[in-house]
Amino acid sequence: DAGITQSPRHKVTETGTPVTLRCHQTENHRYMYWYRQDPGHGLRLIHYSYGVKDTDKGEVSDGYSVSRSKTEDFLLTLESATSSQTSVYFCAISESISREGLEQYFGPGTRLTVT
Amino acid sequence: AQKVTQAQTEISVVEKEDVTLDCVYETRDTTYYLFWYKQPPSGELVFLIRRNSFDEQNEISGRYSWNFQKSTSSFNFTITASQVVDSAVYFCALNSGGYQKVTFGIGTKLQVIP
Repeated sequence: DAGITQSPRHKVTETGTPVTLRCHQTENHRYMYWYRQDPGHGLRLIHYSYGVKDTDKGEVSDGYSVSRSKTEDFLLTLESATSSQTSVYFCAISESISREGLEQYFGPGTRLTVT
Repeated sequence: AQKVTQAQTEISVVEKEDVTLDCVYETRDTTYYLFWYKQPPSGELVFLIRRNSFDEQNEISGRYSWNFQKSTSSFNFTITASQVVDSAVYFCALNSGGYQKVTFGIGTKLQVIP
């Protein structure tokens, strides 16, 4: 199993409060991703990182920011949480694209509830 | 732009039946990669298979098999002699355009009834 951990695993917070989710990997993979999973939508990409301090937006990035100061850590921040951000958040990692392409390995997920 | 369609949102089968999960994809790129992931009730996401656009050879792994057809833009997944442990949500995904982005379908929930 890929060494990916997420913290916290569960969190309940109030609307308007800041929230930071952490993803930590021990695989030294270059690429890291944050997804959210919602019923009827599958997994949607929030942000991704292609190296230390190199990040880019995904399809649902509004209201979220990320930071990657070390290879092993990728942080997702909700500056001011809203009820629409209640979701399950997954971190994923992958190595560089090779001739065989990439596959992603996922962390266990964080269930976030915004009340 | 890339898109993945999993038209079957939920499927129920009786144990030992065969079941096929459909996946149709859209991309304008000639080089792309297709994936299947499994999400059991425990919630984790497990990588099952990767296929690249240059290799249409079907693949079999135990009771699992995958049928990749570029002519119909499909990458279907068949489970033979289904078991209760196969109950899960299965996601098809596509990566194309050389970007480090993967587009997922909405998933198919498979319930295998004992």
